[in-house]
Amino acid sequence: TQLLEQSPQFLSIQEGENLTVYCNSSSVFSSLQWYRQEPGEGPVLLVTVVTGGEVKKLKRLTFQFGDARKDSSLHITAAQPGDTGLYLCAGAANSNSGYALNFGKGTSLLVT
Amino acid sequence: DTGVSQNPRHKITKRGQNVTFRCDPISEHNRLYWYRQTLGQGPEFLTYFQNEAQLEKSRLLSDRFSAERPKGSFSTLEIQRTEQGDSAMYLCASSFSLSYTDTQYFGPGTRLTVL
Repeated sequence: TQLLEQSPQFLSIQEGENLTVYCNSSSVFSSLQWYRQEPGEGPVLLVTVVTGGEVKKLKRLTFQFGDARKDSSLHITAAQPGDTGLYLCAGAANSNSGYALNFGKGTSLLVT
Repeated sequence: DTGVSQNPRHKITKRGQNVTFRCDPISEHNRLYWYRQTLGQGPEFLTYFQNEAQLEKSRLLSDRFSAERPKGSFSTLEIQRTEQGDSAMYLCASSFSLSYTDTQYFGPGTRLTVL
């Protein structure tokens, strides 16, 4: 069961445009990660957010964690073809035995 | 820091055969996770080790699946009597439990195709 809903599922934009990807859940997470994955490869970590309301910037990427730690967004400014890939959000719930990640289905981004 | 490595990267097998995958985590990481990813889906958790102890298993991990981490370093995932439904990307991740965020870093995955 996927506890995280990502939207949109697919996004095709032109170079230079801005975009926002959303990650929503009814569950509270102790932390949330964003990964980018290319075909045939494993997910590569972009950022980890842990504090409600936290905003992190990574060059042209801005990540926000919701105040209630149930949702997050990723905003890309002036997208480039190198940004093409599958963007995955993953939440870690507090657990006595570990922090198994719950992933969304991902947003597939194509920048041309 | 060489990152998480997985071998083989690709495996094609016939239905009914056994397969084994290996994962070498980042050297100082004490936690190791296995996930499975099918087309169009995000990764799904299979099992987790802290050092050599297997502490959590998903209901996705049927009796045909077994994972080990004998010395608390590398891990193996074995699938017995493979079925076509086992075809997927198998991902390994590792983390350090004493880090602030316990962030998981993934390997490149092993793509399994069952014919």
